[in-house]
Amino acid sequence: EAGVAQSPRYKIIEKRQSVAFWCNPISGHATLYWYQQILGQGPKLLIQFQNNGVVDDSQLPKDRFSAERLKGVDSTLKIQPAKLEDSAVYLCASSDIRGQLAKNIQYFGAGTRLSVL
Amino acid sequence: DQQVKQNSPSLSVQEGRISILNCDYTNSMFDYFLWYKKYPAEGPTFLISISSIKDKNEDGRFTVFLNKSAKHLSLHIVPSQPGDSAVYFCAATKNYGQNFVFGPGTRLSVLP
Repeated sequence: EAGVAQSPRYKIIEKRQSVAFWCNPISGHATLYWYQQILGQGPKLLIQFQNNGVVDDSQLPKDRFSAERLKGVDSTLKIQPAKLEDSAVYLCASSDIRGQLAKNIQYFGAGTRLSVL
Repeated sequence: DQQVKQNSPSLSVQEGRISILNCDYTNSMFDYFLWYKKYPAEGPTFLISISSIKDKNEDGRFTVFLNKSAKHLSLHIVPSQPGDSAVYFCAATKNYGQNFVFGPGTRLSVLP
């Protein structure tokens, strides 16, 4: 079974530029998550999708961050314009809602490391 | 407001001994807890979980204990192996799958 795919693996941009990250979840997983992990901290949930609907985006800085999941499969996360403090690893995860406990287990991609200069 | 805390940034243990990683939480609405392991340049991988209706869950060398009254959980690894060296994250969720919150992680080093 293929895992969660993310691209690119690394991205370096200057502040005020825009950037986009792509995620393809495990086939059949209805729930998709985007996390931001700043160095030395745990992952922070930015947005959670159930199919193509948003379940939780309470911690997404909506003035500069946006995310979409068209057709309920792959997803893109965009930052526009980027700030220095956006430097972090952006992790995508997916989970299977079938089964009471299975939906709690998230499978993570390797992440995209963003450096904003 | 850090809802999930892992107060030990790092831990070193001899191979073959027990590793105990601790996690505290503040929100009594959390009803499901998970441990993830992370190697460098990889995403976190699921290790073990426990529901709030239980106080212990075991899977091979890994056991998670939950003390709801103290809002505390711990991960025991017995025996510890060098391949267990990684960063361990404690995570909590409400409504069995909503509002995931991760702790800051503990770096475990298992020394041969």
